[in-house]
Order: sequence, then structure tokens, then C-alpha cells
Amino acid sequence: GDSVTQMEGPVTLSEEAFLTINCTYTATGYPSLFWYVQYPGEGLQLLLKATKADDKGSNKGFEATYRKETTSFHLEKGSVQVSDSAVYFCALRRSGGSNYKLTFGKGTLLTVNP
Amino acid sequence: EADIYQTPRYLVIGTGKKITLECSQTMGHDKMYWYQQDPGMELHLIHYSYGVNSTEKGDLSSESTVSRIRTEHFPLTLESARPSHTSQYLCASSDLTGTEAFFGQGTRLTVV
Repeated sequence: GDSVTQMEGPVTLSEEAFLTINCTYTATGYPSLFWYVQYPGEGLQLLLKATKADDKGSNKGFEATYRKETTSFHLEKGSVQVSDSAVYFCALRRSGGSNYKLTFGKGTLLTVNP
Repeated sequence: EADIYQTPRYLVIGTGKKITLECSQTMGHDKMYWYQQDPGMELHLIHYSYGVNSTEKGDLSSESTVSRIRTEHFPLTLESARPSHTSQYLCASSDLTGTEAFFGQGTRLTVV
């Protein structure tokens, strides 16, 4: 079945540090890939997405590139801020058919200190 | 900003009580989902619906039930709450393409 494996946290960084959260997936076909963010006490929000190989999703300084050859979708940001402290989820949705369910990774807690 | 709402945000209830968690969306989405989020943050799909009168069980077995009588409304019911039901419950919806899922703010349920 489909699965998503992401870097275990927690991750603690100082402000302005470089961030990478690794994400790899297992799925048949060509899934769509997503990063969601959950701020404390809130639901999930879509951060960025990519729907085909070599697509780069970007938003709020975050980027991730869909790498089919390595089945990866690593999240990066060049300079994190305290306000980026949150839980980050990598997810996939299988392409085609009537399957619209998202498969999530276990989440990575990021804490950014001033 | 997503137009999907969950009530209540927080609920503390005694064992054996019947509870209903409400979820409503104003985006006209056909697809709706309930996720249970454990303290370790992991999300588990427990119910989903692809339209009115359509409900399916998710990947994680749950004692809860759902109904979908109206497009905009997808309530979750526990007939007899137990401490093992203590968790955060997140409702979500997506459009016809399923490309993006919008989440409510969640209901944090504590059964004592």
C-alpha cells in the first residue's frame, strides 16, 4: 500500500538557520505530493504541493521538489523564523481513479529559537 | 482562508455519554473526511464520504459513526464515550479533483 516516511523529530533550530525535512514515499503510479503545516492548537494547512515529477512547489520561502527517481519530496527553507515553529506533514494522494484519500507521514515537530 | 468549521473546539465528557462532533463546510465540497490525531501527532483516517448518503470506514478502525445527509454537514457520533476515545479529531473536505484538502481547527476530546 501507499506510505510516506518522513524525518523523525523533534527538530530544533536557531532563527535564520537552514531547514531540511526529509520525506520519501512508496506508491504505485504517479501520486501528487503535499506538505501540510499544523500550528499549535490549529488544524492542518496546505503549505505546498507538486503533482508531477520534477515539479517544484513553493510557498512562504519553503520549497520542495518532486523527485521520482529517488521517490522523495524533501522540504527546505533557507532561513527559518520563530513563526515557522509547527508540525510539518508530508502527504501523498494516489493519482487517477476515485481514490481521493491522503496518506500522511507521522509529522515532524520543528521548534525555532530566537 | 478555509471555510470549514468544527464544534466544539474542546470537550471534556464523562464515560458512557453520547457525543456528536460537528463539522460543516461552506465550499460545496463533495468529499469529506474525519481524521483522528494521536498525542504523537500521527493522523489516522477513520471515516470518509464522497457525497450525500455515502460514508465509508477509513484505515483505522473506530467505534464512532458518521452520517452525510447534507453536502455541507458531516457529523461524527460516539454512542458511549470511553477514555480510549480521548484524542484530537480533525475534519477535512476536498473538491471534485481532490487536489487540496481543507482542514477544520479540530476538536480536542477528553473522556474522563
